[in-house]
Amino acid sequence: QKEVEQNSGPLSVPEGAIASLNCTYSDRVSQSFFWYRQYSGKSPELIMSIYSNGDKEDGRFTAQLNKASQYVSLLIRDSQPSDSATYLCASGFQKLVFGTGTRLLVSP
Amino acid sequence: DADVTQTPRNRITKTGKRIMLECSQTKGHDRMYWYRQDPGLGLRLIYYSFDVKDINKGEISDGYSVSRQAQAKFSLSLESAIPNQTALYFCATSHPGTSGVDTQYFGPGTRLTVL
Repeated sequence: QKEVEQNSGPLSVPEGAIASLNCTYSDRVSQSFFWYRQYSGKSPELIMSIYSNGDKEDGRFTAQLNKASQYVSLLIRDSQPSDSATYLCASGFQKLVFGTGTRLLVSP
Repeated sequence: DADVTQTPRNRITKTGKRIMLECSQTKGHDRMYWYRQDPGLGLRLIYYSFDVKDINKGEISDGYSVSRQAQAKFSLSLESAIPNQTALYFCATSHPGTSGVDTQYFGPGTRLTVL
């Protein structure tokens, strides 16, 4: 059974801080990894994708991948209250396996 | 207009009724997916289709069937709805990029309640 594990949270951070979201996966042959943001009752929205070991930055977001440790993380710099949502980690190639998500709360 | 649309957006039905959820996309993607989302269980794949003639079962296909009527349309049916099929249902589409990696894009979802 291929699994993606995330801490359900909530992760609470003050406005302006760095939020660090973590994810581990069990399938060693997974080639691609995704972070989606989901507001309550809404559909998942792609934030970042990463395929190679190391860091990938896009604006305030940085995804980090360590295939040896089977670990993916998402850093959100200068967190804003509008970042408060559930963040889903997913891994796979053509079919994705999703984690259950980490709820992030950013307080003003 | 939204690239991926789902109808209906909300539906309340009774146990034993047949229900069809529809998904349409204008993204031109070949690959389409149906997921359900339950609190605490995340997104789980029900069925997926990589082209019009290709249908595959996902993790939790029992009690569901699908039809891929065209590249742009993928329908999910519950032949005889039961209360534990109450969930939020999402359609997604994808197309392999130059690296062969798919990125999935989701529709707005259908909230289904089975009484």
